Amino acid sequence: DAGVIQSPRHEVTEMGQEVTLRCKPISGHDYLFWYRQTMMRGLELLIYFNNNVPIDDSGMPEDRFSAKMPNASFSTLKIQPSEPRDSAVYFCASSFRGVTQYFGPGTRLLVL
Amino acid sequence: DAKTTQPTSMDCAEGRAANLPCNHSTISGNEYVYWYRQIHSQGPQYIIHGLKNNETNEMASLIITEDRKSSTLILPHATLRDTAVYYCIVTETSGSRLTFGEGTQLTVNP
Repeated sequence: DAGVIQSPRHEVTEMGQEVTLRCKPISGHDYLFWYRQTMMRGLELLIYFNNNVPIDDSGMPEDRFSAKMPNASFSTLKIQPSEPRDSAVYFCASSFRGVTQYFGPGTRLLVL
Repeated sequence: DAKTTQPTSMDCAEGRAANLPCNHSTISGNEYVYWYRQIHSQGPQYIIHGLKNNETNEMASLIITEDRKSSTLILPHATLRDTAVYYCIVTETSGSRLTFGEGTQLTVNP
């Protein structure tokens, strides 16, 4: 398997623009997780899905952030409008039955 | 999830065993101990997990004390590529929520 795939790997945008991050989980996995990593806050869980249904979005920072999972093989994390403080590395992870999580390579986002 | 305490940093000589400790004194009966590591600029990588018995796989060994209040991750023959931040995480069986702390920065020196 190719593992968890994320795109883009790097994104530079200007404040106020919409940003969409994409994730393809490992085939057959039923859980999908979105994390954010910054120097100040470390690695924190934003939201996770089970069988395409959002289960816990308590880590989503504010209404500017939204996540969807239209099918078992695709998820998006959208930031609209983006702000400089959203600059971070965003990781997607997937797992089978919520046990061992496998992480993607991350998307490095810089908001100017 | 129970809180974990790890040393901020450790050094190890290449070829030697690296022993990374973790304290989790408030662990409950249904919580597992998981270890992940993050090599610079990469996503976290699963290493091993256990409930109360010692575990071993191709990457490492996990030793959990009998009272389950602490554990040790052992990399038997550390290489330069093992330089990374190692996270000890305690979570319930489902493992749905992984709460990452500061971890231990392991530096393997030649």
